[in-house]
Amino acid sequence: NAGVMQNPRHLVRRRGQEARLRCSPMKGHSHVYWYRQLPEEGLKFMVYLQKENIIDESGMPKERFSAEFPKEGPSILRIQQVVRGDSAAYFCASSQTSLASETQYFGPGTRLLVL
Amino acid sequence: SQQGEEDPQALSIQEGENATMNCSYKTSINNLQWYRQNSGRGLVHLILIRSNEREKHSGRLRVTLDTSKKSSSLLITASRAADTASYFCAMVDSGTYKYIFGTGTRLKVLA
Repeated sequence: NAGVMQNPRHLVRRRGQEARLRCSPMKGHSHVYWYRQLPEEGLKFMVYLQKENIIDESGMPKERFSAEFPKEGPSILRIQQVVRGDSAAYFCASSQTSLASETQYFGPGTRLLVL
Repeated sequence: SQQGEEDPQALSIQEGENATMNCSYKTSINNLQWYRQNSGRGLVHLILIRSNEREKHSGRLRVTLDTSKKSSSLLITASRAADTASYFCAMVDSGTYKYIFGTGTRLKVLA
């Protein structure tokens, strides 16, 4: 049973370009969460999605950032017109339910570097 | 800030010694989890302790939780060089799904 998959693992973009980060949850998991980790800091919640629905995007910047989790295929975190401050590691996690008692399983992360 | 606080921020010990990391938080929690992150890698789940538990063991790991003090500790006994990593506590706010991560402790075990 494969774990949470993320790709690409490393992504380099120039300022103004778009970044697309993909996350495939564990088999049987329909809840996906995205987190951002700045260097030397802990992870911070960005957005929570179920299939075809955004449940909570309170941690995601309102401009330039968007996320989706279509019926088929991986969840996508999209950053338009990237700036240097977007450089960070972006982690995806998945769970079977949204219960607070359940463990979220994390992917290996995508490290975004904006030049 | 809702972020958990961990101390020490960095810890350097000799192989074979014990390593203790502490985590404090501000919210009411349903459970608290500890994760390890090797440099440049993803998070690995180590152990979960529920709010009605006081202590839990897993191999060389021992976790305690004091909900009255809103604090938890992770003890790694007989440390090995392979334990070198960053360790994060993560709290699940009562009734929600959101993880709130601590700031992390960077552990270095010297061979």
